[in-house]
Amino acid sequence: DAGVIQSPRHEVTEMGQEVTLRCKPISGHDYLFWYRQTMMRGLELLIYFNNNVPIDDSGMPEDRFSAKMPNASFSTLKIQPSEPRDSAVYFCASTPPGAANEQFFGPGTRLTVL
Amino acid sequence: GQQLNQSPQSMFIQEGEDVSMNCTSSSIFNTWLWYKQDPGEGPVLLIALYKAGELTSNGRLTAQFGITRKDSFLNISASIPSDVGIYFCAGQKRNAGNMLTFGGGTRLMVKP
Repeated sequence: DAGVIQSPRHEVTEMGQEVTLRCKPISGHDYLFWYRQTMMRGLELLIYFNNNVPIDDSGMPEDRFSAKMPNASFSTLKIQPSEPRDSAVYFCASTPPGAANEQFFGPGTRLTVL
Repeated sequence: GQQLNQSPQSMFIQEGEDVSMNCTSSSIFNTWLWYKQDPGEGPVLLIALYKAGELTSNGRLTAQFGITRKDSFLNISASIPSDVGIYFCAGQKRNAGNMLTFGGGTRLMVKP
């Protein structure tokens, strides 16, 4: 079975540009999480969805960040405008029904903002 | 900031040695999980623990849920080169929805 799919795997952009990261969770999973990983701060939860509905977005750093989940098989994390301090690896994870704390992670998107 | 203190931050060991790492907190957690992250990949779940005192094995890996609910331990026996990576503990609190809190990770390096 396919795992969590993220695209792109790498993104290099210039400060001020809009960045959109994409995630396809594992089919049948009902929770979806977006994380950011940096050396300084480790793994930070940004936002998570249950059945396509945002449940907690308290980890989203500021208004420049937004996330959507228009259907059960697709989610986006958008940064507009991007800043150099947004450089990090962004992970998407999903969990199956009944095992909501066993998160399956995607391979991540490495974002570099110049 | 991180609520889980993971130690050691890094380890450099000889192939065949046993490894121990731990995760502590001032808060109580209802679930403890251990993940491994290989370079360029996302974390992969190794072991999940749901009950205080629980001891669970997965091959050469053994993890324990501390009796106080404030700590957890991971042991790797007879390490091999492919054990190299970063090991993360994660905890879930009661009434925290499905959110996990992650430790800072233990970077393991194995010398053949």
